Amino acid sequence: QVHLVESGGGVVQPGRSLTLSCAASGFTFTNSGMHWVRQPPGKGLEWLAVIWHDGSTKYYADSVQGRFTISRDNSKNTLFLQMDSLRAEDTAVYYCARSCAGDCFGAFFDYWGQGTLVTVSS
Amino acid sequence: EIVLTQSPATLSLSPGERATLSCRASQSVSSFLAWYQQKPGQAPRLLIYDASNRATGIPARFSGSGSGTDFTLTISSLEPEDFAVYYCQQRSDWPLTFGGGTKVEIQ
Repeated sequence: QVHLVESGGGVVQPGRSLTLSCAASGFTFTNSGMHWVRQPPGKGLEWLAVIWHDGSTKYYADSVQGRFTISRDNSKNTLFLQMDSLRAEDTAVYYCARSCAGDCFGAFFDYWGQGTLVTVSS
Repeated sequence: EIVLTQSPATLSLSPGERATLSCRASQSVSSFLAWYQQKPGQAPRLLIYDASNRATGIPARFSGSGSGTDFTLTISSLEPEDFAVYYCQQRSDWPLTFGGGTKVEIQ
């Protein structure tokens, strides 16, 4: 079955960097677009970034454009999110999610990881 | 960016009652809208995609309708496990956006 497992979260000071990873299994990773979505404590969902199955195309939310970088290593079935110049408002649970496959094709999310908490605080 | 507005913010109902949730888009998203359910401490789960198609394994009591700017998620008869927060999401244009959520709580 499909498994997405995020790692790399923790407490980081404002202005510093952090890289999240998402290990994928149970499906053909090289065929799937992948996303990062975050959720501040007690608040709603915010889409952050997408990367095409082959890494050729990336889109970002305005809130993270220029500070966050999405990437993938298809040889290791792993998705990454490099986060630079972190701010207090970046504090959230970060989820990786797969673009829908099969009948549900496109930029909806049919599988999600369990999330990893990033806390930006001095 | 396309803004999705969900209403009401909170819906207080009893098990067995019908729930009707609304999602309105700031511009047309055609049928490119999904609904998710999220329970405390869990990741969201896809319920409905392309406005009206149930995702794999989703019970028939969940249905979606609408197109353009106005969408509805209906839960025909609430089960105890349906009390949760529901989000809509559009994929018509980048950036992808979510609505603010509707919490369905036990009355």
